[in-house]
Amino acid sequence: AQSVTQLDSQVPVFEEAPVELRCNYSSSVSVYLFWYVQYPNQGLQLLLKYLSGSTLVKDINGFEAEFNKSQTSFHLRKPSVHISDTAEYFCAVTLSNNNDMRFGAGTRLTVKP
Amino acid sequence: GAGVSQSPSNKVTEKGKDVELRCDPISGHTALYWYRQSLGQGLEFLIYFQGNSAPDKSGLPSDRFSAERTGGSVSTLTIQRTQQEDSAVYLCASSRGPGESSPLGYTFGSGTRLTVV
Repeated sequence: AQSVTQLDSQVPVFEEAPVELRCNYSSSVSVYLFWYVQYPNQGLQLLLKYLSGSTLVKDINGFEAEFNKSQTSFHLRKPSVHISDTAEYFCAVTLSNNNDMRFGAGTRLTVKP
Repeated sequence: GAGVSQSPSNKVTEKGKDVELRCDPISGHTALYWYRQSLGQGLEFLIYFQGNSAPDKSGLPSDRFSAERTGGSVSTLTIQRTQQEDSAVYLCASSRGPGESSPLGYTFGSGTRLTVV
């Protein structure tokens, strides 16, 4: 089955600094990739997804993730973080022929003033 | 409904008792999933229902855990003879099934926080 590894369990950064949250997946077939965010005391929300086409996907809040097939990665980046970005971020993968999604262990991003 | 509904939102139970957690998925979503999120841990896959197919139970941690989905809609996760290590947030999610459209990702419920004392 497919699997996901998030190497960093915690990432502390200062406000307005850039951040990269790493995600690597394992699969022998084509995949769809997702990033979910969980703000304190809230449920999981879909942040970004890669299904096909352009390997760089972006959201309206400045987050972007790039699908790199050769490195089997889907790292999440933001050039300048805000205090409000403090949350747990989960990378997830499904095979392109089913919807069985597997999640990474999560990365806790803490943005400090 | 408009979203995935889970009940109860909080459950405190005594060790050894059975509990039932309910999930009401988005109407029309054929796929339904249960995950467990323990303190400081990621999301642990438990079970996956897709339409009328046999569920993927590969993530259930022991035979004390079972789940069913009646009529292709509401699902119940049952934990028998609860143990303290079962304490966690149990999350349900639903989605369109494969082949129905491009997967849009899951929609998660708010979870049930289970505390076994």
